[in-house]
Amino acid sequence: KNEVEQSPQNLTAQEGEFITINCSYSVGISALHWLQQHPGGGIVSLFMLSSGKKKHGRLIATINIQEKHSSLHITASHPRDSAVYICAVSRLVFGKGTKLTVNP
Amino acid sequence: DSGVTQTPKHLITATGQRVTLRCSPRSGDLSVYWYQQSLDQGLQFLIQYYNGEERAKGNILERFSAQQFPDLHSELNLSSLELGDTALYFCASSPHGGGLHEQFFGPGTRLTVL
Repeated sequence: KNEVEQSPQNLTAQEGEFITINCSYSVGISALHWLQQHPGGGIVSLFMLSSGKKKHGRLIATINIQEKHSSLHITASHPRDSAVYICAVSRLVFGKGTKLTVNP
Repeated sequence: DSGVTQTPKHLITATGQRVTLRCSPRSGDLSVYWYQQSLDQGLQFLIQYYNGEERAKGNILERFSAQQFPDLHSELNLSSLELGDTALYFCASSPHGGGLHEQFFGPGTRLTVL
């Protein structure tokens, strides 16, 4: 079993929909990192969080340390949100990513 | 633009060869991380250097080695290349040495081994 599991693997949405991507991990961690990988390959850090919730624009990330679970939400999704979203935990172990496609 | 540069952008080589990938971190960042991303494996952490010293090791093969120089740039050396080494290689930098901190990723080097 992978230490970091993401779901779903693939997600297709219509523009404007609310998106949720989940990340579960099996090890104790001090922090979790959400990354976005653009279709061209570039990787951008979205959030670092160790508790509670963080918001940046239309993106919201939450973490429940006791349940070993984090979610990334995108409100009012847009085609430019199409990317692979990857979570990573504090021992630099990565999930396999969720490929999001937002159709206009 | 993250401020992290990687060269070359693309590299095509043959099995058995040796290549060197270069990474320059953001100004002021002391940590450099190297990652491999192949089609079927996702991102895999290889190795971290902090201020010239090896700080953490991940799934780095013995055929691979890295170093960080006094000016903080880093090089990843891949030798006796195999077809399975075909991948995107990213470096990332961070001001911090330990724990999980926000990292700034370079654009990657796409290595193709034929």
